[in-house]
Amino acid sequence: QQPVQSPQAVILREGEDAVINCSSSKALYSVHWYRQKHGEAPVFLMILLKGGEQKGHEKISASFNEKKQQSSLYLTASQLSYSGTYFCGTRSGGSNYKLTFGKGTLLTVNP
Amino acid sequence: DSGVTQTPKHLITATGQRVTLRCSPRSGDLSVYWYQQSLDQGLQFLIQYYNGEERAKGNILERFSAQQFPDLHSELNLSSLELGDSALYFCASSASGVAKNIQYFGAGTRLSVL
Repeated sequence: QQPVQSPQAVILREGEDAVINCSSSKALYSVHWYRQKHGEAPVFLMILLKGGEQKGHEKISASFNEKKQQSSLYLTASQLSYSGTYFCGTRSGGSNYKLTFGKGTLLTVNP
Repeated sequence: DSGVTQTPKHLITATGQRVTLRCSPRSGDLSVYWYQQSLDQGLQFLIQYYNGEERAKGNILERFSAQQFPDLHSELNLSSLELGDSALYFCASSASGVAKNIQYFGAGTRLSVL
């Protein structure tokens, strides 16, 4: 089942913060976050494993609430380079490792 | 550069035709995944191969098939093409036996069916 991302789109000014949410109706083993610029490949940002881990990557961090099967991506002090579509991909375990992606959140950072 | 190579970058063909998309995974990665991305559907998982064997199947049409060769490169074959098959096709690869299993994506093949 496809995870649900919210919001669908967000517009920020440089320096502002944003939160992107990803929720699933299935029990999750891991959540993977990617950013994709228009016409380019999705680029891996970070992975959250079950256990409620919070990972950070410079000014981008994420959390995973195992009880609620929800993950949130936090972007602080946004930069122009953060613009793009953010996807969460979820894995429910098992041996196939396939990811099911949400429909994405379009983030636009303006000067 | 993710280390995953896809060819060709662009492909323009006509309805009813057949095309082959090629993917070379990162060095050492045994798993290859194929995804289709169209405007209204987002990233749709098609199929996964692991060390030459099919491991998982997603929403892959019967007109589509894939294989992974002994040198670990993979090909996605699309036949009897329809206008709706126009999309970006991505290949990703990951290492095996690792809990985190991070998938790294190639630059994609943009298919236009006219």
